[in-house]
Amino acid sequence: GESVGLHLPTLSVQEGDNSIINCAYSNSASDYFIWYKQESGKGPQFIIDIRSNMDKRQGQRVTVLLNKTVKHLSLQIAATQPGDSAVYFCAENQGANNLFFGTGTRLTVIP
Amino acid sequence: EADIYQTPRYLVIGTGKKITLECSQTMGHDKMYWYQQDPGMELHLIHYSYGVNSTEKGDLSSESTVSRIRTEHFPLTLESARPSHTSQYLCASSRGGAGEGKTQYFGPGTRLLVL
Repeated sequence: GESVGLHLPTLSVQEGDNSIINCAYSNSASDYFIWYKQESGKGPQFIIDIRSNMDKRQGQRVTVLLNKTVKHLSLQIAATQPGDSAVYFCAENQGANNLFFGTGTRLTVIP
Repeated sequence: EADIYQTPRYLVIGTGKKITLECSQTMGHDKMYWYQQDPGMELHLIHYSYGVNSTEKGDLSSESTVSRIRTEHFPLTLESARPSHTSQYLCASSRGGAGEGKTQYFGPGTRLLVL
């Protein structure tokens, strides 16, 4: 079956360092991927997306990398700030199906 | 900022009560969803809708029901609340279609506590 899983449930980084959050997916037919950020007491918020015909996409301080060979997705956050502390979810989509969400990684930024 | 709203934000209620969680979006999105989420844990899809008069059960079995009489409104009802229903309920919507149309936009959530 399909699955979206995260390698680490928690990640702690020093303020100013770069953060890398990883996600593994098992369905090679997945064609669209999204990263969400969820702060405490709020709903998930869209950060960045990437289609399967791309291997990299950049936003403001964030970069998503897609490696289809090993079915791996990562989110890189540059110069991590305290406001980046949250739970990060990856989600994958295959065709007409709904999104499948991963378990989530809790990022803690140490001042 | 997504234009999707949920009320109430917090609800404490006794066992056996009937409750309705409201969700509205002003983006004209066809697809809407309800998720159940324990704090800091994964999202479980409990209901979704492709459009007006369409409702489907999600991956997680739920005792709740939903309706979709208007495009912008997707309420969730629990006929008889139980302590096991204590959780956070998140509503989301998406435009539909391929690619970016799959992106779901979430409301702030309703945190439910059943005593």
